[in-house]
Amino acid sequence: QSALTQPASVSRSPGQSITISCTGSRSDVGSYNLVSWYQQHPGKAPKLIIYETTKRPSGVSNRFSGSKSGNTASLTISGLQGEDEADYYCCSYAGRITPWLFGGGTKLTVL
Amino acid sequence: EVQLLESGGGLVQPGGSLRLSCAASGFTFSIYAMAWVRQAPGRGLEWVSAMSDDGGYIYYADSVKGRFTISRDNSKNTLYLQMNSLRADDAATYYCAQEYDSAWQNWGQGTLVTVSS
Repeated sequence: QSALTQPASVSRSPGQSITISCTGSRSDVGSYNLVSWYQQHPGKAPKLIIYETTKRPSGVSNRFSGSKSGNTASLTISGLQGEDEADYYCCSYAGRITPWLFGGGTKLTVL
Repeated sequence: EVQLLESGGGLVQPGGSLRLSCAASGFTFSIYAMAWVRQAPGRGLEWVSAMSDDGGYIYYADSVKGRFTISRDNSKNTLYLQMNSLRADDAATYYCAQEYDSAWQNWGQGTLVTVSS
């Protein structure tokens, strides 16, 4: 199975909102509400920010939200702050053969 | 506080072997599935392997199937990854991660594997 498709880079100004897409197929994103999103700052380990497509772990800002339509999941970040500048990765459960697929990652720049 | 501490990375020649370890603390290791995820320099995340809490279910990415073996010792709160027949494209930082609700909730800081002659 192929990796999930994300835009390579996006940029916005502080205070604006951004939506990052994650496109899969009927075999993964389209079949399960098991999409997760990770934030990774340079040189750091990834951090879980969304799980089960729409849920936020305790301690994650409510500026982060997740959604899904068909085979595409989305991460929305509202009220962008400088600290949000990072790489973002989606991940989907994809069944028993190859259970997890990551997206290629999106580099967010907050101008 | 959950802690995952990877070790065992280093420089290895193509065709060689390494065994990675991930020492877990701060949670009941034996009731969580665990995984290895890698990241090649400057590249994205790639899921490598996962194992259920009791070891009954094991999964591998196609890219490592037949070469890598995941295991765990719940009495030692430790996850392992035996990597054989290493290739240049296996070079990466390897993270261990704790599963929660089909997501990877906690991650270690990673251990770097370099494959070069």
